[in-house]
Amino acid sequence: QVQLVQSGAEVRRPGASVKVSCKASGYTFINYYLHWVRQAPGQGLEWMGIIIPGGGSTSFAQKFQGRITMTRDTSTSTVYMELSGLTSEDTAVYYCARGRQFLTSEYFDYWGQGTLVTVSS
Amino acid sequence: QFVLTQPPSVSGAPGQRVTISCTGSSSNIGAGYDVHWYQQLPGTAPKLLIFGNNNRPSGVPDRFSGSKSDTSASLAITGLQAEDEADYYCQSYDSSLSGSKGVFGGGTKLTVL
Repeated sequence: QVQLVQSGAEVRRPGASVKVSCKASGYTFINYYLHWVRQAPGQGLEWMGIIIPGGGSTSFAQKFQGRITMTRDTSTSTVYMELSGLTSEDTAVYYCARGRQFLTSEYFDYWGQGTLVTVSS
Repeated sequence: QFVLTQPPSVSGAPGQRVTISCTGSSSNIGAGYDVHWYQQLPGTAPKLLIFGNNNRPSGVPDRFSGSKSDTSASLAITGLQAEDEADYYCQSYDSSLSGSKGVFGGGTKLTVL
């Protein structure tokens, strides 16, 4: 069965960086795009970016440009999302999600369990 | 703040029918982009509920259905059950947002009375 298993909770100081991992299993890793979506406490979902595991290319939401990096390791079927310059507004649960294309837009058919990142001094 | 607009909350009694709207614009739903819906139970990750406007993944009861018209979409839930109490999110694509591959609504909290 398809599974996306994320790394554990993190606590960071303002200004620091955090790197979250997402290990995929149960399907051919390079055949599906992987996205990152975050959710601040009590708030809605926010799309952050996408990585194409086959070639490693990425695309990010404009608000994260310049401080987000996404990489992948095809040998372990794992993708990584690193966010730098953290502020308290980055406190959120971060999800990885597998993308599927339907005609005109992608949807997310499997999600990781989420990783809580807390930014606090 | 959110490109797609949803009502913050809806409610209904067990057995009733409720609908959740998702209003967009000419650069997203109105441009013909498909709409997808997710259910998020408290403390859990979102779960795909409807894809491609009105398609249910395997395992999703037929009590859930979706529709799309012009610049909006709707999620309908019939035969409301206590276990349906959750947050619901619509999602699509917006051509005006550089680099973006997905936009969400702000979410709707469904309360089963």
